[in-house]
Amino acid sequence: GQQVMQIPQYQHVQEGEDFTTYCNSSTTLSNIQWYKQRPGGHPVFLIQLVKSGEVKKQKRLTFQFGEAKKNSSLHITATQTTDVGTYFCAGGSNYKLTFGKGTLLTVNP
Amino acid sequence: DAGVTQSPTHLIKTRGQQVTLRCSPKSGHDTVSWYQQALGQGPQFIFQYYEEEERQRGNFPDRFSGHQFPNYSSELNVNALLLGDSALYLCASSPGSGKINSPLHFGNGTRLTVT
Repeated sequence: GQQVMQIPQYQHVQEGEDFTTYCNSSTTLSNIQWYKQRPGGHPVFLIQLVKSGEVKKQKRLTFQFGEAKKNSSLHITATQTTDVGTYFCAGGSNYKLTFGKGTLLTVNP
Repeated sequence: DAGVTQSPTHLIKTRGQQVTLRCSPKSGHDTVSWYQQALGQGPQFIFQYYEEEERQRGNFPDRFSGHQFPNYSSELNVNALLLGDSALYLCASSPGSGKINSPLHFGNGTRLTVT
């Protein structure tokens, strides 16, 4: 079945440094979604990418969808302590979203 | 405008028992998906309900079953509980109406512990 892999599993940065997490699917995706889960919380939807090569920005966050629609990335510029949490990508196929294992981001103030 | 609500928030059960978890979707949403999230892992898709029918199912045994009611609320039932069923069970709703992969709105989850 479809697999979605994310790297790195953990990332610790100093406040102000940049952060990137990468997502790779074993199959071509119809779309990819990104979610953020704060410690002790539930996943919260950030964005959805649908088109091949699509790039979207949300303030300091930049999301990319690969040309082959099998990979994606999330880049955070100048991290802040409020960025702490686990970032999940989720690949869409039919009516099912397959989540990666996530990247846990910790930020040292 | 209430978001997704789940009950109970925490539950402790013994191996072999059965459990029912409940979910009310966000207002205006008609599709409910259930996910299992083990500690340190991503959510794993269990199944999705739309128009009171199971529309898609993940790789979970038949011990996991569900139901959707006419008011779009949903239940997840797990029979013959195993220790490995201990996890956070997340309900997510979306304005599906037949649309593929609408963004999900998650509830706070039910933390199930099986002893």
